[in-house]
Amino acid sequence: GQSLEQPSEVTAVEGAIVQINCTYQTSGFYGLSWYQQHDGGAPTFLSYNALDGLEETGRFSSFLSRSDSYGYLLLQELQMKDSASYFCAVSNQAGTALIFGKGTTLSVSS
Amino acid sequence: DAGVIQSPRHEVTEMGQEVTLRCKPISGHDYLFWYRQTMMRGLELLIYFNNNVPIDDSGMPEDRFSAKMPNASFSTLKIQPSEPRDSAVYFCASSFKRNTGELFFGEGSRLTVL
Repeated sequence: GQSLEQPSEVTAVEGAIVQINCTYQTSGFYGLSWYQQHDGGAPTFLSYNALDGLEETGRFSSFLSRSDSYGYLLLQELQMKDSASYFCAVSNQAGTALIFGKGTTLSVSS
Repeated sequence: DAGVIQSPRHEVTEMGQEVTLRCKPISGHDYLFWYRQTMMRGLELLIYFNNNVPIDDSGMPEDRFSAKMPNASFSTLKIQPSEPRDSAVYFCASSFKRNTGELFFGEGSRLTVL
């Protein structure tokens, strides 16, 4: 089976940098995804890492270490609108469906 | 593109009633997924389809739940009979190929069973 661990809550102030960690246990790893979900809304895709290293997309970056079964999402220049839940997810054995972690609630204050 | 469309957005029903949730995936997407989200259990994968064929339904909680995909543009998730513990937000998602890590989610159907 698969399991993912991520912190339940993180707080930060506007303009700061925050890192959300994710460790996973899975049989047949394909890649690590990150999703953002605002209250009451649909999860939206942020990034996907299939290979080791850092992927950068604007203010957001995602990192993967396959040997450590570990990844993180880095959010820079935090804004109030970044307050949301962030989920890491791994592909199931077929490399299609995603298994999600329980999510990290990020609160950004001014 | 219209995105993944789900209906109804909200459903309130009484225990024992049948509930049918509907989903229209993005045109051209070969994979369709049903997830359930609750505070306690997070986002759980219930079932997914590839080219209208159910591939993995191991996440369906029990026989009261059933899902169908009669064609490439429509899927249903049915609960019969419904119970209060089925109260959750049910999300449908679609994707067009494997190993991209990217699913496109609908806005969800919030189900309350009294």
